[in-house]
Formats: sequence, C-alpha cells, structure tokens
Amino acid sequence: AQTVTQSQPEMSVQEAETVTLSCTYDTSESDYYLFWYKQPPSRQMILVIRQEAYKQQNATENRFSVNFQKAAKSFSLKISDSQLGDAAMYFCALKSTGANSKLTFGKGITLSVRP
Amino acid sequence: KAGVTQTPRYLIKTRGQQVTLSCSPISGHRSVSWYQQTPGQGLQFLFEYFSETQRNKGNFPGRFSGRQFSNSRSEMNVSTLELGDSALYLCASSLPLAGDYNEQFFGPGTRLTVL
Repeated sequence: AQTVTQSQPEMSVQEAETVTLSCTYDTSESDYYLFWYKQPPSRQMILVIRQEAYKQQNATENRFSVNFQKAAKSFSLKISDSQLGDAAMYFCALKSTGANSKLTFGKGITLSVRP
Repeated sequence: KAGVTQTPRYLIKTRGQQVTLSCSPISGHRSVSWYQQTPGQGLQFLFEYFSETQRNKGNFPGRFSGRQFSNSRSEMNVSTLELGDSALYLCASSLPLAGDYNEQFFGPGTRLTVL
C-alpha cells in the first residue's frame, strides 16, 4: 500500500515571499510519479507540477519548484514570489507506474497569502 | 476544448435514498476516475473506468458503483445513502496515451449532502 502524508494542515505566506509545503510518502515501488495539485476555493483542481521518481533533477514550473529526496521519501513544493492567486488547498499525490495503479492523495494543506 | 463537466453540481438527498452522478470527460479522453473528497478523509479514490471497463477500484463498500458508456461518459451510483456519504465527488479524465502516466484533468465536482 502507498501513503502520502502532509502534516501541516495550514500555512500562511506574505505576498511576494517564498513558502515551502512539505510532503512525505511511502511506497514499495521503485518507479512512480509524484504530483502537487492546487484546488482554489470553489474551483477545479489543477496540476501544478509533477516529478518522475527516476529523474534526479528537481522539476520546476515557473514560480513552482520541488525538492525531491527519494531516499528520504520527501517531496516538498516551493512557491516563490507568492501571489494572492496562489491561495488554495494544495495536495501532494503519488502514483505508481502501471496501468492499474491509482492516484493516492495526502490530506492537503490550506495556503493563505497575506497582502 | 471543453473541460470535464459534472452534473449536477449540487445535490441534497435523505438517508436511504440513492443517487446518480454524471461525468462527461474531455473529448478524446477514454479514462475516467472518481474520487470522494471529505474534510476528514481527504481525497479517496473510488474507481477508474477505461473503455467501458472498470480498471481499478478503491476501498469503498458495494453501495458505490459506476459505469462508463461507449462515448466515455461515466456515471457513479450510491445506493442506500448514509450521512457519511456527504462529500464532494470529483471526476477526472485522461487520455489513453502509451506509457504509464496520463495527466488527469478534474471536473468541478458534485457536492452531495445527505440529510
């Protein structure tokens, strides 16, 4: 069984500052994908960034980057130059390779951005 | 291209009733997954359908069922509703690309309230 843990239920960041959201996971698979999803209030969930476990290089997407530590099973999301529109719930998720694998989510973290 | 649509957006039912939720995937997407989102349990995988066949199933009782039609539209049904079934039900669709990873695109969800 695979699990994803997000231990911080809430975080707050000042606009234009940097914030890091933590995530740890557990899986017995050697090959898998990790994701961060964003769910704004009353809006659809969207994919922010993804990381293939076989890649050592950390993924980046504009202001969003990850710190992937495979041995420690840690996958944190860094948001630089935070904007008001970044306020949302963020979910860390894990999916093993294979057609029949499922997406496993963490409980999520609510990020607020102070103007 | 239109996104994933879910109907209805809001639903109120009473205990013991049954409910059917509908999901129309993005055009060309053949895989549809369903998730239940609650404040206490977070996002939990219900099942996935691909080409009208259930490909994967989460740990939910048999009261939860689903199906997929030839046009890839999917429905999920919950019979004998319980108060604990109150949740946001999310649908996600993805392309049938070769390889293990296909990004899931989420719909806005159906908010089910059981009284």
